[in-house]
Amino acid sequence: AQKVTQAQTEISVVEKEDVTLDCVYETRDTTYYLFWYKQPPSGELVFLIRRNSFDEQNEISGRYSWNFQKSTSSFNFTITASQVVDSAVYFCALSEAGRDDKIIFGKGTRLHILP
Amino acid sequence: KAGVTQTPRYLIKTRGQQVTLSCSPISGHRSVSWYQQTPGQGLQFLFEYFSETQRNKGNFPGRFSGRQFSNSRSEMNVSTLELGDSALYLCASSLEFPETQYFGPGTRLLVL
Repeated sequence: AQKVTQAQTEISVVEKEDVTLDCVYETRDTTYYLFWYKQPPSGELVFLIRRNSFDEQNEISGRYSWNFQKSTSSFNFTITASQVVDSAVYFCALSEAGRDDKIIFGKGTRLHILP
Repeated sequence: KAGVTQTPRYLIKTRGQQVTLSCSPISGHRSVSWYQQTPGQGLQFLFEYFSETQRNKGNFPGRFSGRQFSNSRSEMNVSTLELGDSALYLCASSLEFPETQYFGPGTRLLVL
């Protein structure tokens, strides 16, 4: 069965600190997709990244980086030199290609960046 | 390119009423999915439409229904509203599943 666990419910860090958001997933499929979304206070989910199960390369986009490790079923997200604008709820999500046509979201991690 | 739009943005209804929410996907996107977000349950999948056909449905009662039109616009309907239906309803569109889904701003429904 599909499952996404974001063990960190809420995190607070001081601006300019680095912060890592954890995501652990469960799937029986060999082909699947992982996503991270950001939900600012406005409510709209903003797409950050999509990764397929065959691409374990880590990715960096500006201050954001993602570490995908199939051996530990984890897809962690790091924000370097955090800024107040990074304050939001971050969701990790999983979809199994060709199965059920739906995305399963984790419960989300609420990130507070303190000035 | 315009993003996903949802109307209305806010709704207040009373128990027993019904409600219809609308979603216009990004131009060219044929897949539309609906999600319910509540503080307790988080983001839960409602259903997904592609080319006017419902391809999958989440674990919600039959009071929740939807449809998709030939121009890919979608509506969801909730009949006989209950207090627990108060939530943020999010619509997402994509070219095809499981391509990346892009979300609209949501409709916040309050049932009194």
